[in-house]
Amino acid sequence: KAGVTQTPRYLIKTRGQQVTLSCSPISGHRSVSWYQQTPGQGLQFLFEYFSETQRNKGNFPGRFSGRQFSNSRSEMNVSTLELGDSALYLCASSFGDRGKNEKLFFGSGTQLSVL
Amino acid sequence: DAKTTQPPSMDCAEGRAANLPCNHSTISGNEYVYWYRQIHSQGPQYIIHGLKNNETNEMASLIITEDRKSSTLILPHATLRDTAVYYCIAFPNMYSGGGADGLTFGKGTHLIIQP
Repeated sequence: KAGVTQTPRYLIKTRGQQVTLSCSPISGHRSVSWYQQTPGQGLQFLFEYFSETQRNKGNFPGRFSGRQFSNSRSEMNVSTLELGDSALYLCASSFGDRGKNEKLFFGSGTQLSVL
Repeated sequence: DAKTTQPPSMDCAEGRAANLPCNHSTISGNEYVYWYRQIHSQGPQYIIHGLKNNETNEMASLIITEDRKSSTLILPHATLRDTAVYYCIAFPNMYSGGGADGLTFGKGTHLIIQP
């Protein structure tokens, strides 16, 4: 079956702009999580959506937001971009039931560069 | 989530077993130990997970100490393609009802397989 698809793969924006990233989870998965990865901070959890509701949220400012649609596809939005937002943004999908086999499947990420 | 600690880097000769340690001394009873790896510029890939029993799959073996305070990931016959950053994570097997329940990735271990 198809894996997790993230679009676009690369993105260049300037400070002050906003950006929307998209993630299509594996069919049947209801949870989508978003992570930011930078060389200095590593992988950091942004938020998780489950059945169109934000279920968990990491420690990021309100400029970072997301949503999930009824088909489980998810988007994340970053407003008023800052240079420090340059990062690889990864999404991961799972069944979301937190059972004993709660594996996350990651996409290849969107590499965002803010100039 | 329990905090995990791993050595920042390790070397292993090709064809030998790679043993990657992880300390998770504050792990709680409902947290599984998961291992993921990330090859450069790709999203993390699930390897294996366990609760308290040793586990083995086609990729690796996981040895968890009886007190569950540490574990070891074993790649039995390392190849050059196993060069990656390996993350050990403690993740609850149930949704706790709030907060940042996302995976907490540390810096991981950069495993370098030497030819």
